[in-house]
Amino acid sequence: DAGITQSPRHKVTETGTPVTLRCHQTENHRYMYWYRQDPGHGLRLIHYSYGVKDTDKGEVSDGYSVSRSKTEDFLLTLESATSSQTSVYFCAIRETSGPAGELFFGEGSRLTVL
Amino acid sequence: QKEVEQNSGPLSVPEGAIASLNCTYSDRVSQSFFWYRQYSGKSPELIMSIYSNGDKEDGRFTAQLNKASQYVSLLIRDSQPSDSATYLCAVHSGTYKYIFGTGTRLKVLA
Repeated sequence: DAGITQSPRHKVTETGTPVTLRCHQTENHRYMYWYRQDPGHGLRLIHYSYGVKDTDKGEVSDGYSVSRSKTEDFLLTLESATSSQTSVYFCAIRETSGPAGELFFGEGSRLTVL
Repeated sequence: QKEVEQNSGPLSVPEGAIASLNCTYSDRVSQSFFWYRQYSGKSPELIMSIYSNGDKEDGRFTAQLNKASQYVSLLIRDSQPSDSATYLCAVHSGTYKYIFGTGTRLKVLA
């Protein structure tokens, strides 16, 4: 158990509304990631963080922003949700004990934008 | 060309057989490779990681890596119905970048 909690686990919202997903970890990992998973596309990186206030974009970052003001929390915000952002969102942490580090995932947040 | 490619399946094998899952990748500088299992509606679960050419065994699972051919595979021996899931291949390239394949769906028939 990598101690990762995502909230909310399920959310239905309307187009144009802001949405924030939260990822909380309890083990002081430096690296945190947000992925989205869609049929036919697999897991795609949205944003990642390599420390407090240190974040960078992934391959599908348009329409998303992130913040990390504390080690344990990594927030993903959709400023104005669109139907194309309907997806399952996974947070991951990177264990750095191995040669490259292994990713461990939270339980996911299923977002539906109507 | 996708960075990490997997056959989407489904791959159907009878119970007790060996399931062979394959993955190819395009970035020659990739150093680390991972296999995840994902049950429907659940999050990916790490089952194997491999960093060096050759085989790595863990219980019923064997990961095989061939960097020259840019190929990584996962063998599941004595397949069980509970192994039915989607298996994701992931490749680590660079300091932060983990690229995932779209997964192979495995069905183990009782």
